[in-house]
Amino acid sequence: KNEVEQSPQNLTAQEGEFITINCSYSVGISALHWLQQHPGGGIVSLFMLSSGKKKHGRLIATINIQEKHSSLHITASHPRDSAVYICAVRGAAGNKLTFGGGTRVLVKP
Amino acid sequence: GAVVSQHPSRVICKSGTSVKIECRSLDFQATTMFWYRQFPKQSLMLMATSNEGSKATYEQGVEKDKFLINHASLTLSTLTVTSAHPEDSSFYICSARDRGIGYTFGSGTRLTVV
Repeated sequence: KNEVEQSPQNLTAQEGEFITINCSYSVGISALHWLQQHPGGGIVSLFMLSSGKKKHGRLIATINIQEKHSSLHITASHPRDSAVYICAVRGAAGNKLTFGGGTRVLVKP
Repeated sequence: GAVVSQHPSRVICKSGTSVKIECRSLDFQATTMFWYRQFPKQSLMLMATSNEGSKATYEQGVEKDKFLINHASLTLSTLTVTSAHPEDSSFYICSARDRGIGYTFGSGTRLTVV
């Protein structure tokens, strides 16, 4: 079993729909990161969470430390949101990130 | 915000030659740089962690003589793929811890060995 599990692996939505991506982890962490990778390969860091909830534009990220679970929500999805979204956790000690398998999101116009 | 510049973005080389990939932190000092490899439709695989002024720490199964990492300054880390073979063809990407204790990623290098 991977230390970081994401679901779903693939997601197709119509423009305007609400999207939720889930991430579960099995290790103690100091922070959880949500990343966005566009088709060209570049990766953008969206959120870093250690507790609670963060919002940036149409993106919302939440984390429940007790349940070892995080969600990334996209409200009013748009075709430009089409990308791979990756959950990554940083362990309690050290700088290394452990990555989930990614969720490939396609938003159709 | 923090920026990591990675070059080249795309390179094609002949089998047996070496290729150098550079990552520069443009507006912050990156004491630690991470080098990843990514196969198509797979997640990132950590290859090594480089620390400025010291030897890189390689992950299990990564050949240190094949993937040479140099982190000679606080703003520059390089990955050299030596004696490249077609199986080394992949997407390589670097990342650095930034001031906000987040991670900033380079734009990646797509290496094709022919």
